[in-house]
Amino acid sequence: EDQVTQSPEALRLQEGESSSLNCSYTVSGLRGLFWYRQDPGKGPEFLFTLYSAGEEKEKERLKATLTKKESFLHITAPKPEDSATYLCAVQVFSGGYNKLIFGAGTRLAVHP
Amino acid sequence: DTGVSQDPRHKITKRGQNVTFRCDPISEHNRLYWYRQTLGQGPEFLTYFQNEAQLEKSRLLSDRFSAERPKGSFSTLEIQRTEQGDSAMYLCASSQDRGTTDTQYFGPGTRLTVL
Repeated sequence: EDQVTQSPEALRLQEGESSSLNCSYTVSGLRGLFWYRQDPGKGPEFLFTLYSAGEEKEKERLKATLTKKESFLHITAPKPEDSATYLCAVQVFSGGYNKLIFGAGTRLAVHP
Repeated sequence: DTGVSQDPRHKITKRGQNVTFRCDPISEHNRLYWYRQTLGQGPEFLTYFQNEAQLEKSRLLSDRFSAERPKGSFSTLEIQRTEQGDSAMYLCASSQDRGTTDTQYFGPGTRLTVL
């Protein structure tokens, strides 16, 4: 069964304290791995897509990496405005369409 | 690009009432998805449209739920005889068919509270 697990569930950082979020997955036929950011009461906002092991993508203080079993979202010198829930999702082809399977997310709080 | 919009943003209803939500996708996107998200969980797939055709429905979508996408434009999700367990955030996403993968862009969601 296709599965996505994110860890930790919650993470508290001081401003400037770098860290990483983990997304491990077991799927058959990965078409892409997606990272989204979600603020409270809002819809997920697209951040990155990774397609193959070894690929890396960067955006401001965020860098996403991908291996055959997991992805990491590295946050360098975070600021309070980076506080949000970060969702990982894998895309597989199932039932004739690109199915997106989400993890439960990591709630990040960055304190000044 | 005006993004995906959803209406209403919040809906409070009494158990047993019917509710309808609307989603307007990004204009050139031919694919549209509905998801449900409960507190502390990631979005769960409900149903998928390619243009006006509903091609996939999750087992989560009971007979009380129905979705339409007339003319392949906006979509509506109706819940009949609401139950307290239907309380959740209902998210709509759209994407453009670009081959093997497509990036889904989400709307702001409709928060449903069933009393």
